[in-house]
Amino acid sequence: TQLLEQSPQFLSIQEGENLTVYCNSSSVFSSLQWYRQEPGEGPVLLVTVVTGGEVKKLKRLTFQFGDARKDSSLHITAAQPGDTGLYLCAGGDFGNEKLTFGTGTRLTIIP
Amino acid sequence: DAGVIQSPRHEVTEMGQEVTLRCKPISGHDYLFWYRQTMMRGLELLIYFNNNVPIDDSGMPEDRFSAKMPNASFSTLKIQPSEPRDSAVYFCASSYSGQIYEQYFGPGTRLTVT
Repeated sequence: TQLLEQSPQFLSIQEGENLTVYCNSSSVFSSLQWYRQEPGEGPVLLVTVVTGGEVKKLKRLTFQFGDARKDSSLHITAAQPGDTGLYLCAGGDFGNEKLTFGTGTRLTIIP
Repeated sequence: DAGVIQSPRHEVTEMGQEVTLRCKPISGHDYLFWYRQTMMRGLELLIYFNNNVPIDDSGMPEDRFSAKMPNASFSTLKIQPSEPRDSAVYFCASSYSGQIYEQYFGPGTRLTVT
């Protein structure tokens, strides 16, 4: 069974600070997605990374896929209250149509 | 596009009652997934369909749960009889075969069984 562990589980920081959350596994994934879920809503896809070492930027968010495609990180620069939410990583594997979702990081940005 | 549509948004029912959750996927998407989310267990896949055919229902907790997809634009998840431990948020998501892992989620149905 593939598992994706996210850390930290909870993170609360002041507006304007930088932060990094992690998504780790002992398994190799063919692709990795990051989702953000706001209270009362469904997860919304932020990005997909597919190549080991790949880095993608989405405004103040930087996503990186590990060289071995077993882990990923999400870095947020100058966090804003609108970044508050549950961040979920999810891994896809060749030949498996199902996504494996991570345990989630609940982020709170304090104004 | 309206996105994935789910109804109802909230459902409160008594133990033993039948509950039916509904989902309309994004037009053109050929995969449909039903998930359940709780604080304790996170996001769990219950069942998924490809071209209206159920492919994997190994996540369905027990025989009280059933799901159907009679056509490409509609799916239901039924719980009969419902139990308090079924209380959770149920999400429907859809994707298309060219980007199967890029799933689009509906707003969810928050189910409370008393």
